[in-house]
This record gives sequence, structure tokens and C-alpha cells, in this order.
Amino acid sequence: DIQMTQSPSSLSASVGDRVTITCRASQVISYSLAWYQQKPGRVPKLLIYGASTLESGVPSRFSGSGSGTDFTLTISSLQPEDVATYYCQNYNSALLLTFGGGTKVEIK
Amino acid sequence: EVQLVESGGGLVQPGRSLRLSCEASGFAFDDYALHWVRQAPGKGLEWVSGISWNSDNIVYAESVKGRITISRDNAKKSLFLQMNSLRPGDTAFYYCVKDTRGHIYGVFESWGQGTLVTVSS
Repeated sequence: DIQMTQSPSSLSASVGDRVTITCRASQVISYSLAWYQQKPGRVPKLLIYGASTLESGVPSRFSGSGSGTDFTLTISSLQPEDVATYYCQNYNSALLLTFGGGTKVEIK
Repeated sequence: EVQLVESGGGLVQPGRSLRLSCEASGFAFDDYALHWVRQAPGKGLEWVSGISWNSDNIVYAESVKGRITISRDNAKKSLFLQMNSLRPGDTAFYYCVKDTRGHIYGVFESWGQGTLVTVSS
């Protein structure tokens, strides 16, 4: 299996702060990386796929970058509605669809 | 609007079976691959199984292989998950998820609300 390691596991930041979450794959997965947002009590929502392509309707303060094994999700200016747990997910192979452990984002 | 509505969850004893269903609407059902993704209460996400648009390609996570069977009925716009030999570790919310392509690609575009399966004696 391809292991996906996210860091940090949780963070607390102020409104307006720039927030960065990293995701590392145990093997090269090219650009086959998606990010999901799960707000408390809600189902996950697709934010980004192809490592950097924003899903339709997702605010432009969200961005993704990276390739190979190292990826980043950035929130350029944290908003109260961004409180959620964020998951990265590898889809390099249909046989190996794996999620990271999640990063919980809170407002300081 | 894409809608995915799961049903069939509940409390079941270890070793017993359960069949989950997902009824879909709002999109061309037989054009897309579908998946089941689960989440234990308070825990992270785990992909369980996926099926291509025409059922020709089916894949399972190692953790459930041999105990779970995914299937679909395109005429009824429904997805199913037959779960056998259930274990306490299978306790989770089970989400029906739509892929972005007809073959198993693995980008999870739309999610149902989930159905809770609790395995306990």
C-alpha cells in the first residue's frame, strides 16, 4: 500500500492567517493527489484534484501544489467557515486508493 | 443536483451479514464509477471498494477483501455492498461516493450522507 502522511495532525490559527498542510506519499504518485474538506458533522467535500486543480465552486483562497511524493494544501487567508478536518488522498492506482490521517484546523 | 442516499445500516452481531444500498439521482448513473468509503466514528476516511460503470472492473481494499462484495444495478440506479463475516472493526459510517469518470479513477466527487453500521454483540 501507498502510505499518506499528513502534518500537522492539528493546528490552530487566527482569522486571516496563511495556513499550510503537507502530505507526503510513501511512493511517487505523480500528480494523483486530491484534497477533501470535512466540516464538523458533515460529509467530506472535494476541494482539489490533480494536486492543484480547484474543484468548481471552491473559494480561491484554497490552493494545492506539489508532485511526486510531497504535496501542500494552502489556505491563503483563514476564514471561520474553514474550520474542518482536511484529508489528502492518493489515486495513482485504482488498486491503492488511500487517505492521509487528516489535519484538524481550528480558529485561535 | 447529484443525490446519493444510503440505506441498510444498523446494529449487527459479529459474524453476521448486512447489505447496504445506495440510490442515486441527478446524474447519468451508468456513466460513472462508484465507491464505498467508510469512516469509523471520530476517525479518518478509509476507501473500501470501487466498481466501474459497467461492473467490468471491481476493486477492494485489502482490509475487506473476501468478506465484501460490491455490485450495481444501472437500470435501478443503485449501488450495493454485501458485507459478510462482520467484525467490530467494520463499525463505521459507510458513504456511497461518485467518481469523476466511468472507469475507476479515484477522485471522489460527490458523497452521500452515509449509513451507520455498528458491529457489536
